[in-house]
Amino acid sequence: GESVGLHLPTLSVQEGDNSIINCAYSNSASDYFIWYKQESGKGPQFIIDIRSNMDKRQGQRVTVLLNKTVKHLSLQIAATQPGDSAVYFCAENEWFRAGGTSYGKLTFGQGTILTVHP
Amino acid sequence: KAGVTQTPRYLIKTRGQQVTLSCSPISGHRSVSWYQQTPGQGLQFLFEYFSETQRNKGNFPGRFSGRQFSNSRSEMNVSTLELGDSALYLCASSFGGFNNEQFFGPGTRLTVL
Repeated sequence: GESVGLHLPTLSVQEGDNSIINCAYSNSASDYFIWYKQESGKGPQFIIDIRSNMDKRQGQRVTVLLNKTVKHLSLQIAATQPGDSAVYFCAENEWFRAGGTSYGKLTFGQGTILTVHP
Repeated sequence: KAGVTQTPRYLIKTRGQQVTLSCSPISGHRSVSWYQQTPGQGLQFLFEYFSETQRNKGNFPGRFSGRQFSNSRSEMNVSTLELGDSALYLCASSFGGFNNEQFFGPGTRLTVL
């Protein structure tokens, strides 16, 4: 598999601080990236995405930065709240083409555990 | 609109048995992907179905199989269960085209004893 012997990185912050979660991706051909949040007992939830023709995209309290030169993604969460505590995954989308249509396959990073202390 | 649903949510089986998991995608989504999530290996791609055809497959043994029905609902089957198959099995649906934003279900927690 793509990940072996995981020991997830952890990030602990105080409520109100800004959080930065980093991710390195492997495929220089990937042109679409997604950040997901997974809370305990739930499936991953979409946070924000970015296409490779962009360097930065902002959402509500979240910003994703993409550095294609070094194949690096980051997720910035402003004014982090206890409800932001979760595991955060980046995913890169690799495109395939068959039968005249294009379709993607997501490959996930190992994840980062974010803990927000009140 | 309703999200992705998976049944059952929890399952306990013994080695050698087989299991079938079900996934109902978001209405209008034609692509269903399956993932295995374990603490040791993270989220691993199993396979993807689109319009009843398997379009993509991960690196899993042939004991893992799936299918998709005409209403886009999907099932995955694991035969001859092994202890290492204990995991959270996640299903995700999408429109399946250029926009590959995938929406995940809550998962089925499979425990093999």
